Amino acid sequence: QSVLTQPASVSASPGQSITISCAGTNNDLATYNFVSWYQHHPGEVPKLIIYEATERPSGVSDRFSGSKSGNTASLTISGLQAEDEADYYCFSYASGNSFAVFGGGTKVTVL
Amino acid sequence: QVQLNQWGAGPVKPSETLSLTCGFYGGSFSGHYLTWIRQPPGKGLEWIGIFSQGGITSSNPSLEGRVTMSLDTSKRQFSLKLTSVTAADTAVYYCATVVLNSYSMDVWGKGTTVTVSS
Repeated sequence: QSVLTQPASVSASPGQSITISCAGTNNDLATYNFVSWYQHHPGEVPKLIIYEATERPSGVSDRFSGSKSGNTASLTISGLQAEDEADYYCFSYASGNSFAVFGGGTKVTVL
Repeated sequence: QVQLNQWGAGPVKPSETLSLTCGFYGGSFSGHYLTWIRQPPGKGLEWIGIFSQGGITSSNPSLEGRVTMSLDTSKRQFSLKLTSVTAADTAVYYCATVVLNSYSMDVWGKGTTVTVSS
């Protein structure tokens, strides 16, 4: 099964911006724009923050933005706040032997 | 506004079958796929499977055919069965709805902790 590749951790100070990458393959990100991002605070329910690579659901802060180029999607968090400290996962529709696949997750630490 | 309420049996013994159910409240099935996701302790999210009222069904190849999903529209419930469980299946299990045309999970159940132990 393919797994989307994310950095294990990213850290920055409050107010700074960070970008989390999500690298895929021709079976997923390179072919489809069906990539979404989820914020997961431990012990809570994951929350959809970006869908279709760049779209933000109603109610999600505009400090979160998404992009995609080729086989890599990215999530940018600008004006980092303490409440942004969480795990972030990318997810994509896929062809081949699996309908869908998650990234391994990135732990964001606000210093 | 769709809401999901999930439940399932308590601890499961190795080699037995894990069973979970998710109640779907508000909205229509026809606008969504339905999916199951899990998170083992200390690990990331893992996609288990997806299905729709229209018959689309697929599960994670890594689960080697142990997954069965079903939908009872009259009860507004969808279910997951995972057979021949081992300790590696210990996880928090989530049900979620998948928005058609975007394949994103917009509504999640609160999660059910399942422990596989003898």
